[in-house]
Amino acid sequence: EVQLVESGGGLVQPGRSLRLSCTASGFTFGDYAMSWFRQAPGKGLEWVDFIRSKAYGGTTEYAASVKNRFTISRDNSKSIAYLQMNSLKTEDTAVYYCTRDLYYGSGSYYTPGYWGQGTLVTVSS
Amino acid sequence: DIVMTQTPLSSPVTLGQPASISCRSSQSLVHSDGNTYLSWLQQRPGQPPRLLIYKISYRFSGVPDRFSGSGAGTDFTLKISRVEAEDVGVYYCMQATQFPPLFGQGTKLEIK
Repeated sequence: EVQLVESGGGLVQPGRSLRLSCTASGFTFGDYAMSWFRQAPGKGLEWVDFIRSKAYGGTTEYAASVKNRFTISRDNSKSIAYLQMNSLKTEDTAVYYCTRDLYYGSGSYYTPGYWGQGTLVTVSS
Repeated sequence: DIVMTQTPLSSPVTLGQPASISCRSSQSLVHSDGNTYLSWLQQRPGQPPRLLIYKISYRFSGVPDRFSGSGAGTDFTLKISRVEAEDVGVYYCMQATQFPPLFGQGTKLEIK
């Protein structure tokens, strides 16, 4: 059974940093692309970033709203995906969801087939 | 970027009756590989989203067959043949044909 467990959320001041982790199990982690999505309170879903599978070199893509501030990475030996968030803004306040791609080994498209329960990040002074 | 527009934004439905949600994209969602990466997701209150339908009409594992997807190009539809109480929530269409992946605004399904 595919399981994704996020951790690392919490309250942080504007301008500070936070790192989220997503611990995966139930599949061969390196074979799938991973992505973070977020949902601000009472709002819709927003894609944040994406990291390709090992076969595609683990290359990354970012939403314009987080580019140059957020970094997605992965440790295939530990089955963990990370989201390093720097220079946080109040508008980054959201539940952050870790997802796994539906498709094995895709490189140019992403469908979030599996979702974690999410972790809340609150950016406030 | 592609813009995804869902209608209606709210849908009160009687239990046992059908429901339909439309999603329109600002440009064709046909990928260069010939597939159309249009998905539907359900988010029940207090829960994370859940994939229902992918590539327009393929039901994800465990999804009841009362859910169906159809469409092509830029116009897509999610249908629920007979609404049950557990179907209450917000439904999103999502395009994954090109980056960035984008969602519709969401349609809130509620029971009359």
